[in-house]
Amino acid sequence: QVQLVQSGAEVKKPGASVKVSCRAFGYDFTTYGISWVRQAPGQGLEWMGWISPYSGNTKYGQKFRGRVTMITDTSTTTAYMEVRSLRSDDTAVYYCARTPNVELVTDDCFDIWGQGTMVTVSS
Amino acid sequence: SYVLTQPPSVSVAPGQTARITCGGNNFRSESVHWYQQRPGQAPVLVVYDDHDRPSGIPERFSGSNSGNTATLTITWVEAGDEADYYCQVWDISSDHPSVVFGGGTKLTVL
Repeated sequence: QVQLVQSGAEVKKPGASVKVSCRAFGYDFTTYGISWVRQAPGQGLEWMGWISPYSGNTKYGQKFRGRVTMITDTSTTTAYMEVRSLRSDDTAVYYCARTPNVELVTDDCFDIWGQGTMVTVSS
Repeated sequence: SYVLTQPPSVSVAPGQTARITCGGNNFRSESVHWYQQRPGQAPVLVVYDDHDRPSGIPERFSGSNSGNTATLTITWVEAGDEADYYCQVWDISSDHPSVVFGGGTKLTVL
């Protein structure tokens, strides 16, 4: 069964970092891209960036450049997303989502989503 | 920056047809995708490339794109269709392409 399974909920203090994982099952990890999307409580969806598990190429949303890093580990078919210098407004559910093309195609949809990881930033 | 405009809410009775719109600058050169998000769950792709359906999505879900407005149509609405719906495109107007989501539409089944 094709699925993305994410790591569990996190609680962090302002200024800390968080690393969320997303493990792929049921398909060839190196033939699809992975994007990260977040959703603040009661709010809409916000795209953070994309990574190719095949080449390691990345594309970050302007708001997140310099504060977010995305990597993949093909040996464990896992994608990781790290956010540094956390603020209270980073409190959100973070989703990984698969894109149909392994390199960036600016028409791609997100055809498979992880279950989401709640990250709470609070002092 | 690119903005996608959706109505905050749409209400329909069971068995009726729901139409959810998504307004943008110029969809002619872009593919519009639609997602359903039930409360407490992850989004699910229901329509991609303007009008195609992933496997497992009922034929009751369809999409269209008229140039400045994309529309998700749900016929024979059921209670289980109650959810938030989001449209999505890529903004390629700058050197740094990015994904844009509409603000979401809450579908209420009366």
